[in-house]
Amino acid sequence: DAKTTQPPSMDCAEGRAANLPCNHSTISGNEYVYWYRQIHSQGPQYIIHGLKNNETNEMASLIITEDRKSSTLILPHATLRDTAVYYCIPSGGATNKLIFGTGTLLAVQP
Amino acid sequence: DTGVSQNPRHKITKRGQNVTFRCDPISEHNRLYWYRQTLGQGPEFLTYFQNEAQLEKSRLLSDRFSAERPKGSFSTLEIQRTEQGDSAMYLCASSVYSGSSYNEQFFGPGTRLTVL
Repeated sequence: DAKTTQPPSMDCAEGRAANLPCNHSTISGNEYVYWYRQIHSQGPQYIIHGLKNNETNEMASLIITEDRKSSTLILPHATLRDTAVYYCIPSGGATNKLIFGTGTLLAVQP
Repeated sequence: DTGVSQNPRHKITKRGQNVTFRCDPISEHNRLYWYRQTLGQGPEFLTYFQNEAQLEKSRLLSDRFSAERPKGSFSTLEIQRTEQGDSAMYLCASSVYSGSSYNEQFFGPGTRLTVL
């Protein structure tokens, strides 16, 4: 299972872009990069995933480096409701089980 | 609401008692996963089912833990002879698997277990 490195915490001003980095240098060729977040006392919530190309959906953008060893999740206009722990998770293969690390606690400040 | 539901939401029990949790996945989701989360940590994978078949169990799942998904719909997770170390949030997730690697999981709200 690929290991990930994320900063333990980050702050962001409300309305500004939040850029959350993740290092996953041991990712396998068939593994996608998934991002989930967990708001306090709730179950994790899927945000976005990607394999090689950059991806964008209504929640966020995902930038994956060409060597796939790192990625950045971008929340374009952070709101107070985006305060959560964000997890970067390489996953793939038959089981698609998610191996969570300790994630990044993003605190959006008013 | 058609999301993943879990019952009960909270369970307090005494050490040595048996407890059972239930997970109802999103309708027609063929995969169901169980995770456990302790305070300050990310969720840890326990086991998963594809339809009614249990395909993988983590080393974390001791002999006191058993999970079933008898008709490929809802699932139960039973812990026998509970210990204080079993205190945690137990999360269930479901997904649709059709053979590709992409597999977004939808999580329920969790069952918080406290063992006294």
